[in-house]
Amino acid sequence: QLVLTQSPSASASLGASVKLTCTLSSGHASHAIAWHQQQPEKGPRYLMKVNRDGSHNKGDGIPDRFSGSSSGAERYLIISRLQSEDEADYYCQTWGSGIHVVFGGGTKLTVL
Amino acid sequence: EVQLVESGGDLVQPGRSLRLSCAASGFSFNDYAMHWVRQAPGRGLEWVSGINWSGSSKGFADSVKGRFTISRDNARNSLYLQMSSLRVEDTALYYCVKDVSQVTGYFDYWGHGTLVTVAS
Repeated sequence: QLVLTQSPSASASLGASVKLTCTLSSGHASHAIAWHQQQPEKGPRYLMKVNRDGSHNKGDGIPDRFSGSSSGAERYLIISRLQSEDEADYYCQTWGSGIHVVFGGGTKLTVL
Repeated sequence: EVQLVESGGDLVQPGRSLRLSCAASGFSFNDYAMHWVRQAPGRGLEWVSGINWSGSSKGFADSVKGRFTISRDNARNSLYLQMSSLRVEDTALYYCVKDVSQVTGYFDYWGHGTLVTVAS
């Protein structure tokens, strides 16, 4: 079964870097995923797609501070030079065969 | 500019029906799959249903299978979600979402959502 696992929360200091993790379930380590950001009281926004090899395709207007990488079944979202507006919920998303989509449970990022 | 504008959300009683609509603009609507994603108050994102570019293939989350149907009208650049036998647990903000693929891939644009409240 295709499942994405995320830590419920993360925190880092203003100006620092943070790495958020999304883990694919067993047997699905080759899947690409997408990262979406949801700032407080706003709708989600697409950030980037992260492929198995770590290459990534960012959405329109996404700052260079946001990048992605991969290792095995883990897909990462790295945010550098953290700003207050980066405080948000971050969701990973992937897709299966046919019309089937899966979200991770989301990670709430706090900027200290 | 891609725009997805949802409508149709309302307060309804359990067991009743409701139809959501999404008006799309700024892209070639009939080239992409489309989806509905919902978010219950204080909860995470939940995929509800998706439809391929032509409308010939559809998918549903187990939580709504048999109760919800999805359709599209490519001539009107519109996506629909027909919800029946509504339950209290269907209460959520429903987002219309654009796929990057004709079938299923990842999502690159989101609407602002329409609120469905199911309560007696």
